[in-house]
Amino acid sequence: GAVVSQHPSWVICKSGTSVKIECRSLDFQATTMFWYRQFPKQSLMLMATSNEGSKATYEQGVEKDKFLINHASLTLSTLTVTSAHPEDSSFYICSASHDSGTQETQYFGPGTRLLVL
Amino acid sequence: AQSVTQPDIHITVSEGASLELRCNYSYGATPYLFWYVQSPGQGLQLLLKYFSGDTLVQGIKGFEAEFKRSQSSFNLRKPSVHWSDAAEYFCAVAVTGGGNKLTFGTGTQLKVEL
Repeated sequence: GAVVSQHPSWVICKSGTSVKIECRSLDFQATTMFWYRQFPKQSLMLMATSNEGSKATYEQGVEKDKFLINHASLTLSTLTVTSAHPEDSSFYICSASHDSGTQETQYFGPGTRLLVL
Repeated sequence: AQSVTQPDIHITVSEGASLELRCNYSYGATPYLFWYVQSPGQGLQLLLKYFSGDTLVQGIKGFEAEFKRSQSSFNLRKPSVHWSDAAEYFCAVAVTGGGNKLTFGTGTQLKVEL
């Protein structure tokens, strides 16, 4: 149980294009989803928190107009990197939790590796 | 704000040897504590978590961790390491009222020598 998938697993795109990454909770309803970014050999940095049906909450320093997050249903959240540039190349990981009002465990997806040329 | 420190960036152990990965946190109260493992190019898998109660927590794959309030530590242990345990290990904390957000340590890369 508690499986989270991401699609695609890797993507290469040209500079200036937009890329959409999907995060799905396969066997539970995720009231909250999180998006992280991980640079090589570094830790995960939280980018934003999204709750189903409401706007995402972005961490300080994360450009909300560049990293568009949509959490349209209890099983799907998307991250769109708009007008991608080489510095956006990174490993993007999502996680999901079913919030019952107390601290809940986050279950992580396998990640999406983005390379912007 | 809470923070997590993993003092060891790299650790190498021989297969069959015991393992201890260190994690220290900084927070005014008792946080929620987690250990995750990440294999190359993969997402994170939860090994174990501590919310309250017994301070010795058992996890998957033979791992355990002990919460020590006096030392603000949550060290991960395994009595006998297998070659498949080679991976990156992350300690993470969440705080009450923190909206379920996790703060991660910088990770410890474990290498297992055969």
